[in-house]
Amino acid sequence: DAGVTQSPTHLIKTRGQQVTLRCSPKSGHDTVSWYQQALGQGPQFIFQYYEEEERQRGNFPDRFSGHQFPNYSSELNVNALLLGDSALYLCASSHIAGGRNIQYFGAGTRLSVL
Amino acid sequence: AQSVSQHNHHVILSEAASLELGCNYSYGGTVNLFWYVQYPGQHLQLLLKYFSGDPLVKGIKGFEAEFIKSKFSFNLRKPSVQWSDTAEYFCAVNLNSGAGSYQLTFGKGTKLSVIP
Repeated sequence: DAGVTQSPTHLIKTRGQQVTLRCSPKSGHDTVSWYQQALGQGPQFIFQYYEEEERQRGNFPDRFSGHQFPNYSSELNVNALLLGDSALYLCASSHIAGGRNIQYFGAGTRLSVL
Repeated sequence: AQSVSQHNHHVILSEAASLELGCNYSYGGTVNLFWYVQYPGQHLQLLLKYFSGDPLVKGIKGFEAEFIKSKFSFNLRKPSVQWSDTAEYFCAVNLNSGAGSYQLTFGKGTKLSVIP
């Protein structure tokens, strides 16, 4: 049973470019959440997708957008990259039932913006 | 807005010492609580969780945590640490608003180094 898989593992971009990160959820999960983890910090919630729609969003600008596909996989897009966007981007999947939301994380994509 | 505080940035212990990592959150409603662990070079793994019921929860690898509602705390404990427990530990909170609980709010993490 595959866990949460993310691609690519590492990415180097320059300021102003655009990037797309991908996530496949754990089998049986229908909800995907994205987090940004800066160096020395805990993960920060970007947004969550369920039934191909953004269900909740954290405090991130509109440059951060996403998508969920019918097979529950998801993409995170970041436009007009800034140096401060350099971070580890984590995808978490879950199946929310009875108010219980246990999120399982992938290994992340390390984004470096030069 | 909810927040999570982890009191210790870096803890250094010798093998067999006891461990307690502090975690406090700032929300007065019903919460779900989690501890995640990130071993060097690995992804975040769920260590234990609390939803309701017995406030003392047991997780994997001999870890346990106690939810004290009056103190807004969810401290992680282990009676005797091993070198293999060297990792970064994150406390996380999820609001249980009844309408569905979505985002996890994480603390900044505590790095644990266990000396053989």
